[in-house]
Amino acid sequence: NAGVTQTPKFQVLKTGQSMTLQCAQDMNHNSMYWYRQDPGMGLRLIYYSASEGTTDKGEVPNGYNVSRLNKREFSLRLESAAPSQTSVYFCASSETAYEAFFGQGTRLTVV
Amino acid sequence: TQLLEQSPQFLSIQEGENLTVYCNSSSVFSSLQWYRQEPGEGPVLLVTVVTGGEVKKLKRLTFQFGDARKDSSLHITAAQPGDTGLYLCAGEAGDYQLIWGAGTKLIIKP
Repeated sequence: NAGVTQTPKFQVLKTGQSMTLQCAQDMNHNSMYWYRQDPGMGLRLIYYSASEGTTDKGEVPNGYNVSRLNKREFSLRLESAAPSQTSVYFCASSETAYEAFFGQGTRLTVV
Repeated sequence: TQLLEQSPQFLSIQEGENLTVYCNSSSVFSSLQWYRQEPGEGPVLLVTVVTGGEVKKLKRLTFQFGDARKDSSLHITAAQPGDTGLYLCAGEAGDYQLIWGAGTKLIIKP
């Protein structure tokens, strides 16, 4: 019963470093999402993939890239990390518009 | 731009009290969802409301969707410490995208 699995759970980066956040789901969902969560601001959509082979920008895409590797996996890449990207990142998947399933999150600090 | 405003932002009450959390927008949503998030975890869906005026109950939690489908409320009766968490509302914005409220942080003191 893994659901949505994110790695890593914690990460500290120096300004300018790059990294990739990994996400995999085992529910055979078509749609996958990357969000960031900051205090007092709720969840903001970074990128989403409505189906395998497609990706689209969300509300806050600048500084990020994504890859929908296959139906199960959706990765988020920070090419040159900035302190403003310090946040908690959540991956989610869904099959309908009525329910999203979330991973446990990646807590990223950029110093 | 569609926005969802939640109130209050923070609520701390004693066990056994009742409370209501609100989620308001000037936009119409085809559906609205309520999630609960515990520290260190991702949000977990509690309920989805679809029809204007719809009321759904989940044990001591009562969810209502406004008649015009622009607002929703969550009422908890006889709150328990296990109800502590961050409550988030999210409205369906089309193309499987959700618009999220900023959340209500709820603390229930024993």
